[in-house]
This record gives sequence, structure tokens and C-alpha cells, in this order.
Amino acid sequence: QVQLVQSGTEVKKPGASVKVSCKTSGYTFSNYYINWLRQAPGQGLEWMGMIDPTGGSTTYAQKFQGRVTMTRDTSTSTVYMELSSLRSEDTAVYYCARDYLIIGAAYNGFDPWGQGTLVTVSS
Amino acid sequence: DIQMTQSPSSLSASVGDRVTITCRASQTISKYLNWYQHKPGKAPKLLIHAASNLQSGVPSRFSGSGSGTDSTLTISSLQPEDFATYYCQQSYNTPYTFGQGTKLEIQ
Repeated sequence: QVQLVQSGTEVKKPGASVKVSCKTSGYTFSNYYINWLRQAPGQGLEWMGMIDPTGGSTTYAQKFQGRVTMTRDTSTSTVYMELSSLRSEDTAVYYCARDYLIIGAAYNGFDPWGQGTLVTVSS
Repeated sequence: DIQMTQSPSSLSASVGDRVTITCRASQTISKYLNWYQHKPGKAPKLLIHAASNLQSGVPSRFSGSGSGTDSTLTISSLQPEDFATYYCQQSYNTPYTFGQGTKLEIQ
């Protein structure tokens, strides 16, 4: 079955960077976008951006432009999200989520999701 | 960016009740609207995509409707496992955006 498995909890100091991985399995890696989202404590869901696993092209939310980098390793079907210049407001659970439908399809959604990675930014 | 506004923000209801959650987009999004259920400590779950298409395995008591700017999620007869937070999300264009969530609590 389709699975997305994320790396573990991270604790970082302000100003540092964090890199979260999302290993996928159970489907053709190149056929579906992977998205990154987050949920800060007590807040709602926020979309950060997405990556096309085929060529590695990315689309980032303006809010994260310049601080986020999404990459992929086609040999291991793994996607990475690196967030730099961390501040306390970046404390959140970070999720990767696959597009529900194949690249090019209309009316897409996010399904399935990884289990989430807690990133805590604290001095 | 497209703003998504859900109402109500919270809702108390009883097992067996029928509940409706509404979502309004700041511009037309056709049927590019999805609904998610989110429980504490778990990943969100896609319930409905394209406004009214029930995901495989989702109970038929869940239904969605709407297009343009207004959409609704209806749960016809609440079950104990339905108490969670629900989010709408537009996939019309990037940045994809979510409503602020509706927390459904046991009355």
C-alpha cells in the first residue's frame, strides 16, 4: 500500500536549519507531487510548498520563499524539506502529503499523509 | 491568496445528530474544494475531494456539496469516532489554503 514515512523529532536552536525526510513507497514515485504542510500548536494547517519528483521543480508559498528548500532522491523515492533561519514560530508538526491524483489531474487533494515530524525551536 | 472561511469555528453536538459545516472562498474555486478530518496526534485524513466525491473507505454518512465560492460538509448521523477538527482546503491555485478549522465536540 502507499506509505509516506517521515524522519523523527527534531529540536533546534533559533537560527539553525532543519531537514525533514519523507520516504515513499507503494506507488510510482515520479507520478505524483509531494507537498509539505505544517501545523503549529493551536493553529490550523498551512501549506508550505510542493515538489515534482520527476524533474525536481518546486513551488513554494510566498511566506517561505528564501527559507525553504524541497529536494528529492529518486533512487530512494525520498523527498526532503529543509527550513533555515529557524525561529520559535516555526515550532510545529511538519507533514509530507502526496497528491491524491496523478500529476496533471484536476481536483486534487492530499492523500495519503506522512505521520508528521515535530520540530521544536527553542534556545 | 485565496482566503477560506469556515463556520462555525466550533460546534457541540450529540451522537446521532446531523451537522453541517460551511466553507466560503474569497473567490470562485469551482469544485476545487477538499474536506479533511483531523484528530489529535494523527495525520489529517482526506474525506471528500472535488467538493462532493467521497474518498474510498469513508462512511456514507459524510457528504459534501457546493461549487463556486460556497461549500458544505454534512455528517448525517454523528458517531463517537467523528468528533474531531474538520478543515476545508482549496486546490484551485497555489498557495493552497485551508479554512481555520471547525472543532466538533461532544455535547
